[in-house]
Amino acid sequence: EVQLVESGGGLVEPGGSLRLSCAASGFTFSNYEMKWVRQAPGKGLEWVSFISTSGNTIHYADSVKGRFTVSRDNAENSLYLQMNSLRAEDTAVYYCARATVEVVVAPFGDYYYYYMDVWGKGTTVSVSS
Amino acid sequence: DIQLTQSPSFLSASVGDRITITCRASQGIDRYLAWYQQKPGIAPKLLIYAASTLQSGVPSRFRGSGSGTEFTLTISSLQPEDFATYYCQQLSNYRFTFGPGTKVDI
Repeated sequence: EVQLVESGGGLVEPGGSLRLSCAASGFTFSNYEMKWVRQAPGKGLEWVSFISTSGNTIHYADSVKGRFTVSRDNAENSLYLQMNSLRAEDTAVYYCARATVEVVVAPFGDYYYYYMDVWGKGTTVSVSS
Repeated sequence: DIQLTQSPSFLSASVGDRITITCRASQGIDRYLAWYQQKPGIAPKLLIYAASTLQSGVPSRFRGSGSGTEFTLTISSLQPEDFATYYCQQLSNYRFTFGPGTKVDI
């Protein structure tokens, strides 16, 4: 069964740190780009970070840039999110998600259609004193 | 940054209704758009990608259309299990931003 399982969430004081993990199973983890998405209580979905298959290309949302670090261990089929200098506004459910791409070959250039087809159940991070 | 808006933000409907949700992008994104369904306390579920391609296992009553800056998600005959919040997402650049969501309620 294709599965992503997040862990590592909890209650932390402002300024503190947490490390989230996402364990992948049922597919070849190293073949897929991965993302972290979060959802604050009662709010919508917010993309947090992206990491390429090799880990060489990484992007962050402006709201977390300089504080969060995403990494992956393809040998361990795991994705990580190191969160430092946490703020109250980082309180959310954090999901890891697999990014799949469908390539459509066209005469004047290929199209790369990405989509997030596998999601974990999420792990809750609460930042409060 | 590419911004997405959705309308309506809330939709009251009944079983059997046909409903349409619109997603607009602040700049052209070709067909790099996906739709997700989310129920309370559960991770989002992919419905449609590439604006109109139905994800495997998703019922055919869900239909996506559009390109460029305007997209629609149509549910042809609302079922009880379809009451949820729907999000569009642009995937034309790495930021993969989401729309604010449309809650479909009874």
